[in-house]
Amino acid sequence: KNQVEQSPQSLIILEGKNCTLQCNYTVSPFSNLRWYKQDTGRGPVSLTIMTFSENTKSNGRYTATLDADTKQSSLHITASQLSDSASYICVVGSVGGTYKYIFGTGTRLKVLA
Amino acid sequence: EPEVTQTPSHQVTQMGQEVILRCVPISNHLYFYWYRQILGQKVEFLVSFYNNEISEKSEIFDDQFSVERPDGSNFTLKIRSTKLEDSAMYFCASTKEQRHQTQYFGPGTRLLVL
Repeated sequence: KNQVEQSPQSLIILEGKNCTLQCNYTVSPFSNLRWYKQDTGRGPVSLTIMTFSENTKSNGRYTATLDADTKQSSLHITASQLSDSASYICVVGSVGGTYKYIFGTGTRLKVLA
Repeated sequence: EPEVTQTPSHQVTQMGQEVILRCVPISNHLYFYWYRQILGQKVEFLVSFYNNEISEKSEIFDDQFSVERPDGSNFTLKIRSTKLEDSAMYFCASTKEQRHQTQYFGPGTRLLVL
């Protein structure tokens, strides 16, 4: 079954600290993996997109990694800011007859002053 | 910066009624999508649309749903006979070219079915 699992479910850190969010997937065939940031009540905002051949992608203080062999990805946030408080969603695209987007349940991050 | 817009922001309807959710994708984008997010749950893919036809749809997108691009700017999602379980936030998104491009999401329409 195609699934995307994220951990931890929620995370609280102090402003200025780094953190790493995890995503494991069992989606096949794999096309691409995306990380989104979603503020409460708002639409997701794209952070990174990685295809099979890419193993790292950065966007400012966000760095995503992908290990297609172990089917794992991580999102590392450096020098966190209060505005980083949001849900972070891992999404895997799959091409196999029908193109599918499988969403994870997200990690809810809270950054405290 | 161009953005995806959606109207209305909130919609309350009675069970069994038809609703139309509207979206204006970014003007030079070619691929359009609808997603839904039930409160407290994950985002779910409904349908993608390209070249005036559905390119992919999920199991959720059954016969009560339809999409249309009635003119050069609007992209609509119609729910023919709403059910209580259709209550959710509905997001529209668009992509400039290929599937691997960045998807830009709208702010969403919160639908409540009573």
